[in-house]
Amino acid sequence: AQSVTQLGSHVSVSEGALVLLRCNYSSSVPPYLFWYVQYPNQGLQLLLKYTTGATLVKGINGFEAEFKKSETSFHLTKPSAHMSDAAEYFCAGDQAGTALIFGKGTTLSVSS
Amino acid sequence: DTEVTQTPKHLVMGMTNKKSLKCEQHMGHRAMYWYKQKAKKPPELMFVYSYEKLSINESVPSRFSPECPNSSLLNLHLHALQPEDSALYLCASSQDIGQGAYYGYTFGSGTRLTVV
Repeated sequence: AQSVTQLGSHVSVSEGALVLLRCNYSSSVPPYLFWYVQYPNQGLQLLLKYTTGATLVKGINGFEAEFKKSETSFHLTKPSAHMSDAAEYFCAGDQAGTALIFGKGTTLSVSS
Repeated sequence: DTEVTQTPKHLVMGMTNKKSLKCEQHMGHRAMYWYKQKAKKPPELMFVYSYEKLSINESVPSRFSPECPNSSLLNLHLHALQPEDSALYLCASSQDIGQGAYYGYTFGSGTRLTVV
């Protein structure tokens, strides 16, 4: 069964620093992969998704992720963190085409 | 309209109450989903509907009863809940099972349920 693993439950960065949130998937067939952000007391907002084609995916708010089949990874990055980026981030996968399965989440803290 | 609307936003209910959560979308999506999210945890899939028929039930207790009366509306009927059922209940929709991955899923903002 396809699963998604997020490394690091909590990541802290300074404002202006690089953001790197890690996600690995387990599957013999590359799944569809997503990154969602969740602000406190809100629902899920799609940041970006990988389906097929270009392995570098650009999303909203300056985020991007690179699909690396050789490493079974789909890490999320942002060159310069902003205070407003502080939130919970979920990597999710969908191989069987039935529903999204989420990783455990990573809390991003941004300090000034 | 590109939204999934969930009502109510907040709900407090007693363990003997019966209540319902409502989810609505007008994007023509034929698959709809209920997820449960406990604090500091990822969303967990509960139910999947495709073309108004229940497709997946992730072994959810019978005190949660889903209903899809039409292609735009999804309900979750609640009865005899326990305090541990307190959580954020998220609804989502997609074009259809098998196409959600490609075209994407749209989530509502959720109903925060507290069982007292």
